[in-house]
Amino acid sequence: AQSVTQPDIHITVSEGASLELRCNYSYGATPYLFWYVQSPGQGLQLLLKYFSGDTLVQGIKGFEAEFKRSQSSFNLRKPSVHWSDAAEYFCAVFIYGNKLVFGAGTILRVKS
Amino acid sequence: NAGVTQTPKFQVLKTGQSMTLQCAQDMNHNSMYWYRQDPGMGLRLIYYSASEGTTDKGEVPNGYNVSRLNKREFSLRLESAAPSQTSVYFCASSPQLYGGNTEAFFGQGTRLTVV
Repeated sequence: AQSVTQPDIHITVSEGASLELRCNYSYGATPYLFWYVQSPGQGLQLLLKYFSGDTLVQGIKGFEAEFKRSQSSFNLRKPSVHWSDAAEYFCAVFIYGNKLVFGAGTILRVKS
Repeated sequence: NAGVTQTPKFQVLKTGQSMTLQCAQDMNHNSMYWYRQDPGMGLRLIYYSASEGTTDKGEVPNGYNVSRLNKREFSLRLESAAPSQTSVYFCASSPQLYGGNTEAFFGQGTRLTVV
């Protein structure tokens, strides 16, 4: 079955440090990949998406993600984290024919 | 722009009561979805509608029904609420179900508690 795995439930980084959130997917064909962010009590906001082409994708708020087909991964990165980045981050895969499947989410805490 | 609007934002139900969650989008999207979000489980798809007039089950459809009233509106009904349905419910829409440069837009969520 198709699935999305985010191995880290919680991550804590210091403000100004770099960040990498991991995402692995299980799907036979090339998927459409997304990262969403959810601030407390809010809906989901799209950070970036990958459909085809350049495997390094730039998003909003200084985030980027790299699609690695050989590793079935789509990790999210940011060079320097700000306190306002504290939120929950979801990786998602759009699977042909039916649905958008989400990972369990990674909660990011930023310490000053 | 309103985007995806869900009502109500909060609701408390007693076990066995019924209710309908409303969702409307003003982006002329073809596809609409209902998800539930539970801690540590991400968002799980309850039902989706690829286009007006069609609905299909997602991962966790038991205990729910949906109606795609028209292109704009997609409602979720709990016929007999159970404590296990305590969750945050999100409605989403996308231009199409799959293919091309598509993405899903989400409402602000409905926090439902069943006591």
